[in-house]
Amino acid sequence: GESVGLHLPTLSVQEGDNSIINCAYSNSASDYFIWYKQESGKGPQFIIDIRSNMDKRQGQRVTVLLNKTVKHLSLQIAATQPGDSAVYFCAEKRPGNNRLAFGKGNQVVVIP
Amino acid sequence: GAGVSQSPSNKVTEKGKDVELRCDPISGHTALYWYRQSLGQGLEFLIYFQGNSAPDKSGLPSDRFSAERTGGSVSTLTIQRTQQEDSAVYLCASSLVGGPFANTGELFFGEGSRLTVL
Repeated sequence: GESVGLHLPTLSVQEGDNSIINCAYSNSASDYFIWYKQESGKGPQFIIDIRSNMDKRQGQRVTVLLNKTVKHLSLQIAATQPGDSAVYFCAEKRPGNNRLAFGKGNQVVVIP
Repeated sequence: GAGVSQSPSNKVTEKGKDVELRCDPISGHTALYWYRQSLGQGLEFLIYFQGNSAPDKSGLPSDRFSAERTGGSVSTLTIQRTQQEDSAVYLCASSLVGGPFANTGELFFGEGSRLTVL
């Protein structure tokens, strides 16, 4: 079945430090991955995506790394800010399948 | 509005009652999804609509759950004879599939409908 999971349930990080959130996925056929951020009481919001033919993609203060060999995905947030406090979900998509399979989420708490 | 709109934002009901949750997707988005999020959990896929194609209902947990999408726009998720385990946040999302961002997979989520079954 579908299985996307996160290693750490909660990450506490000092404001200004870098954050790394990890995600393991189980389906080697997945060809597209997305990171979403969900603030309390809100719906998930797109952060960054990456296709399986890439191993790194950068956005504004965020970088996603994909290691297909070990089926691992990570999200790096540079200079973490209080507004980055949220739950972060990774999601995977398989070819020909329009649904996204989400992991359980990882809480990030930024300490001012 | 410009985003995905869901109503009601909160619904408290008694066990055994039926509930309807509504989703207004972003105008022009052909794909619409329903997900369920239980407390402290990830998002559980329920159902997917794409244009006029038959919906993918494979995520519906039981026959008490059903959904419709009228005119390719508004969608209603109906839960019959609600049970306490149905308590969750029900999230709707839409995406522009087949357009210039085809296969991006980016979903635009609403803020959800929080259902509490007493």
